[in-house]
Amino acid sequence: KQEVTQIPAALSVPEGENLVLNCSFTDSAIYNLQWFRQDPGKGLTSLLLIQSSQREQTSGRLNASLDKSSGRSTLYIAASQPGDSATYLCAVHSGGGADGLTFGKGTHLIIQP
Amino acid sequence: DAGVIQSPRHEVTEMGQEVTLRCKPISGHDYLFWYRQTMMRGLELLIYFNNNVPIDDSGMPEDRFSAKMPNASFSTLKIQPSEPRDSAVYFCASSLGDRGLRRNTEAFFGQGTRLTVV
Repeated sequence: KQEVTQIPAALSVPEGENLVLNCSFTDSAIYNLQWFRQDPGKGLTSLLLIQSSQREQTSGRLNASLDKSSGRSTLYIAASQPGDSATYLCAVHSGGGADGLTFGKGTHLIIQP
Repeated sequence: DAGVIQSPRHEVTEMGQEVTLRCKPISGHDYLFWYRQTMMRGLELLIYFNNNVPIDDSGMPEDRFSAKMPNASFSTLKIQPSEPRDSAVYFCASSLGDRGLRRNTEAFFGQGTRLTVV
């Protein structure tokens, strides 16, 4: 059974810092990995999708990498801003006929002005 | 497209009552998922459909939970009877399948329904 772990569970940094959020998964047989952002009381916003054949994806100040063989992904946020404060969730789409996403518990990020 | 639309946004009901949550997926998407989010367990997949057909309902916690997708633009998740431990945020998501490989791609989520059972 696929398990997804995110470290750290919470992070508070001053504005302007570059930061890295970590995600690990136990079964490397995945189709893709997706990073989401969730604001309090809101739904999930898709940030980046990395296919299993890809190593990284970039969108603006966000860069996500994938090392499928070691079961790891990182989300890099450059020049953090207070508006980046949210919970960031990592989810994997596993193979073997399982078409839903398996989520980590998320990293709660606070960017101090 | 307006994205995935869920209703109601909030639902407060008494224990024992029937609750029906509704979802309209993104037009053209052929996969639809129902997830539940709690503080203790995070986000968990309950059930998903492909082309309106339920594929995997192994995440549905009990027989009190049921889901239907009568057509490509509408799905319901029903809890009957509801219990306080069902209190959670329920999300609906949809995605477009990769035709060649028969697997879905990027998932888009609705705003969720916050259910409180008292």
